[in-house]
Amino acid sequence: QVQLQESGPGLVKPSETLSLTCSVFSDSLGRYFWSWVRQPAGKELEWIGRVHPNGATHYNPSFASRITVSVETSKNQFSLKLTSVTAADTAIYYCARGFESGATVLDQWGQGTLVTVSS
Amino acid sequence: DIQVTQSPSTLSASVGDRVTITCRASETIGDWLAWYQQKPGKAPKLLMHLGSRLQSGVPSRFSGSRSGTEFTLTISSLQPDDFATYYCQQYKLYATFGQGTRVEIK
Repeated sequence: QVQLQESGPGLVKPSETLSLTCSVFSDSLGRYFWSWVRQPAGKELEWIGRVHPNGATHYNPSFASRITVSVETSKNQFSLKLTSVTAADTAIYYCARGFESGATVLDQWGQGTLVTVSS
Repeated sequence: DIQVTQSPSTLSASVGDRVTITCRASETIGDWLAWYQQKPGKAPKLLMHLGSRLQSGVPSRFSGSRSGTEFTLTISSLQPDDFATYYCQQYKLYATFGQGTRVEIK
């Protein structure tokens, strides 16, 4: 069974860049799109963007000017960078695997990591 | 952007009840809708996709249906493990989640 694990700083200062990495275990990145999803406390889920190991990326237009999602196949990892963060970016950030077909149906998820934006 | 509007936001029910949650898309999305279950402190779990196709291991008391742009998640007989928050998600164009429905004990 594939396992995903998010890692990165739990505290980021306003206006700085949030950087997270998702490590994938027991599966290859190769056949899937890999997504980032976030959830502010007590609120709904919000899809951020996704990456394929071939380099293709798709972003939520709400974030498109601030995010970069990239993949490092040699490490079986993919990453999220979100620039110019504010308190509104405080949330639990999840990484997740999408279906092989390319549909953004997320069948495997990491446990999530809380990122707080505060000075 | 494709929006999905989920209702109700909270639902109080008892074990054994039949429970229905509705999700309406802002435009035609075919069957490109998934349902997830999330328990406190946990990641969401995929229940079904294509509107009604159950994931392996999901109990058959869960079912889904569609009428036009309105989708329904039904739990035929609510079990103690089913008290959770449920989200719908369209994936015709990337992904948009509904606002969530919290199913609580009556």
